[in-house]
Amino acid sequence: SQELEQSPQSLIVQEGKNLTINCTSSKTLYGLYWYKQKYGEGLIFLMMLQKGGEEKSHEKITAKLDEKKQQSSLHITASQPSHAGIYLCGADLTGANSKLTFGKGITLSVRP
Amino acid sequence: GAVVSQHPSWVICKSGTSVKIECRSLDFQATTMFWYRQFPKQSLMLMATSNEGSKATYEQGVEKDKFLINHASLTLSTLTVTSAHPEDSSFYICSARDYPYEQYFGPGTRLTVT
Repeated sequence: SQELEQSPQSLIVQEGKNLTINCTSSKTLYGLYWYKQKYGEGLIFLMMLQKGGEEKSHEKITAKLDEKKQQSSLHITASQPSHAGIYLCGADLTGANSKLTFGKGITLSVRP
Repeated sequence: GAVVSQHPSWVICKSGTSVKIECRSLDFQATTMFWYRQFPKQSLMLMATSNEGSKATYEQGVEKDKFLINHASLTLSTLTVTSAHPEDSSFYICSARDYPYEQYFGPGTRLTVT
């Protein structure tokens, strides 16, 4: 089974709407990374969360880490077409600050 | 953020030949780099961890003699796919860790083996 589950698998929203996507781990999270990817391209680093209850924001994107639930959420406010892409969460599940395990990604489409 | 480059961005090679992919950290030193493989519409699968000056650590199921990794300097790691076959066709992405925790990814290399 997948160690990192992302939900929903895909999402279509109307421009201007808010949305939240989730990343849930079956193991303890020592670090949680959010990336954005355009199909066939590299990953763009969005945010990294390490401490339970930590919350970070950049422009219209906010990420939170719920350590107890072993879950992270990514919230986009007033979505724009530029937010469209694949959102991947990666996690340090070993505590060694080394390799990351990734979820399958969430494909976000934003309708103008 | 930090910048990681990969070269080439895409390559087509014939079955049985070898291909080398370079991963460079442009504005920081990376003692550790990672090589991932991604199939269409799938997640990233870690292939190996590359440490400067030492042997790479390969994930279970990854053939180290087929995927040769060299991390000769703090800014360069290379992945050589030896005796490539069509099933090796994939999107290969490297990442480099900037002290202490953040990992930055390269733009990826699309390999097609004919």
